[in-house]
Amino acid sequence: ETGVTQSPTHLIKTRGQQVTLRCSSQSGHNTVSWYQQALGQGPQFIFQYYREEENGRGNFPPRFSGLQFPNYSSELNVNALELDDSALYLCASSVRRGGPTDTQYFGPGTRLTVL
Amino acid sequence: RKEVEQDPGPFNVPEGATVAFNCTYSNSASQSFFWYRQDCRKEPKLLMSVYSSGNEDGRFTAQLNRASQYISLLIRDSKLSDSATYLCVVSYGGSQGNLIFGKGTKLSVKP
Repeated sequence: ETGVTQSPTHLIKTRGQQVTLRCSSQSGHNTVSWYQQALGQGPQFIFQYYREEENGRGNFPPRFSGLQFPNYSSELNVNALELDDSALYLCASSVRRGGPTDTQYFGPGTRLTVL
Repeated sequence: RKEVEQDPGPFNVPEGATVAFNCTYSNSASQSFFWYRQDCRKEPKLLMSVYSSGNEDGRFTAQLNRASQYISLLIRDSKLSDSATYLCVVSYGGSQGNLIFGKGTKLSVKP
């Protein structure tokens, strides 16, 4: 187990609704990254948070937003849900060490279904 | 063109077989390279990092060719438990270090 937890495990919403997903990072990790994995695809980077600041963003619209808290846990918020938002949402925590790429440890994911 | 492209698969092999996965990446600025394994409906897990000199971990061997922008993974003596989707991953590193995943190649090892 990676020590990264996510909640809820499954969620069903309807188009136009808003959703908040949560992630608790591994102890001692100060960086959280969020990814979206559609069925049959590899995960796609949404954004990363480091010390409560957004630190990089992928090609996702502004209705995808996030937060990181002082204890380094994080939230992903998606407004105005669309059918294509149905996916597995993964968070990954890591420690910023200043190396080329810090190893990211993934949580079990939240499976979101939009009807 | 996708940033990371992999063999489409699926690969169906008998136990004990040797199987090779290939991957190409488009951005020459990529700095770090990985293979992740993902079991059905589970999260990706780091299998191994890939270094320019090539590296081995038990039955798994990874190779990187920066000039050709090509990464490979070789699995020897396949086990039933190797059945999973294998994801090729690159990163630009630096302050962001976000991971860029290929679509994955599904491997099924049969008795």
